[in-house]
Amino acid sequence: GEEVAQTPKHLVRGEGQKAKLYCAPIKGHSYVFWYQQVLKNEFKFLISFQNENVFDETGMPKERFSAKCLPNSPCSLEIQATKLEDSAVYFCASSLLMQGIEKLFFGSGTQLSVL
Amino acid sequence: DAKTTQPPSMDCAEGRAANLPCNHSTISGNEYVYWYRQIHSQGPQYIIHGLKNNETNEMASLIITEDRKSSTLILPHATLRDTAVYYCIVRVDYNAGNNRKLIWGLGTSLAVNP
Repeated sequence: GEEVAQTPKHLVRGEGQKAKLYCAPIKGHSYVFWYQQVLKNEFKFLISFQNENVFDETGMPKERFSAKCLPNSPCSLEIQATKLEDSAVYFCASSLLMQGIEKLFFGSGTQLSVL
Repeated sequence: DAKTTQPPSMDCAEGRAANLPCNHSTISGNEYVYWYRQIHSQGPQYIIHGLKNNETNEMASLIITEDRKSSTLILPHATLRDTAVYYCIVRVDYNAGNNRKLIWGLGTSLAVNP
């Protein structure tokens, strides 16, 4: 598709429950990124993929967060045992890297509320 | 890593130019400056990027100082639809195989007023 599609738009979980977010990148884009926006303006990088391989996971909280991008499936971000502090908007983006230049195309985000 | 500093908010009258400054005084020679904007709570949208030279596209112009320590995003004729948070970002490239990271500032909330 021509847009990055994120589902669901909203997700509500009780503390300790699992949350799973999905992202379908733009066809032909080889990179996928996940960002967390907690406070209104602050973007925190979580993880990136090059095709189905983890490219950079330096932003991922190792204990409870995991992510995958498998062939012919949407990418996913999973949070085991959610905490109140995980409440945030999670954005996925995809991109092509061509001649060193890259534009990220973002989805509209998943608003996760942990109660 | 290079960091960016932006004013938290600005106002602009509709039809006038909006000039959004960004300070990136610790930027390195090969690090690009990118600008994105976030309208309401949508996903960020790419605007423009540059390395050393000034750049212009259909959305905006980017002026980068000669020492590259700061830049200005210019929206030449702001409209109400340009009301958004504008992020100045430095792209840090690491040597290992295309690895790079966007270092986001906190953004400037631009209000375009009728």
